Amino acid sequence: DQQVKQNSPSLSVQEGRISILNCDYTNSMFDYFLWYKKYPAEGPTFLISISSIKDKNEDGRFTVFLNKSAKHLSLHIVPSQPGDSAVYFCAASDNTDKLIFGTGTRLQVFP
Amino acid sequence: NAGVTQTPKFQVLKTGQSMTLQCAQDMNHNSMYWYRQDPGMGLRLIYYSASEGTTDKGEVPNGYNVSRLNKREFSLRLESAAPSQTSVYFCASTLTPRDEQYFGPGTRLTVT
Repeated sequence: DQQVKQNSPSLSVQEGRISILNCDYTNSMFDYFLWYKKYPAEGPTFLISISSIKDKNEDGRFTVFLNKSAKHLSLHIVPSQPGDSAVYFCAASDNTDKLIFGTGTRLQVFP
Repeated sequence: NAGVTQTPKFQVLKTGQSMTLQCAQDMNHNSMYWYRQDPGMGLRLIYYSASEGTTDKGEVPNGYNVSRLNKREFSLRLESAAPSQTSVYFCASTLTPRDEQYFGPGTRLTVT
């Protein structure tokens, strides 16, 4: 049973446009959410997080939105750059010692 | 400050062989984790250690054992490798479970 779902395996966006990556979750006990970025042959790196007491968190070109009633979060990248091409994982925590990761979305930003 | 290091980077095993994947962190983190990444499956937690001296099973622990040797080191052992364990293995660490996790570069394991 996949508790964190990223239903789009891939996304292709033109440079300069907005990239929107989506993530849905089923466990209402999740109260902390993170996005990680992964380049080929490297480990994932932390990008941005949001607590369930907020509905938006912004860091430069990256904004995460949380809709608790819909159990949905999204990552917006504006403007998209070729260096943003990577696999993006969302992850969720329910105040235990573990993170649950989604299956990832491969973003390709083309010129 | 090397962060999280993993050895080896690549390994090929025959079915039934054993091996240990090593992980070390120099950030004085308390919690350490082992994940595997398979195509279409994302990152799945194998085992974790919330603090020195404790280990717990994750989502996919069967066929693996772990040792938290000290605060810095957390090893993953495959006692009798199977082709289903072909994967990329990542180690991660964090100061507290609510902080971001820092990942190592991964070990690509192939079992034939």
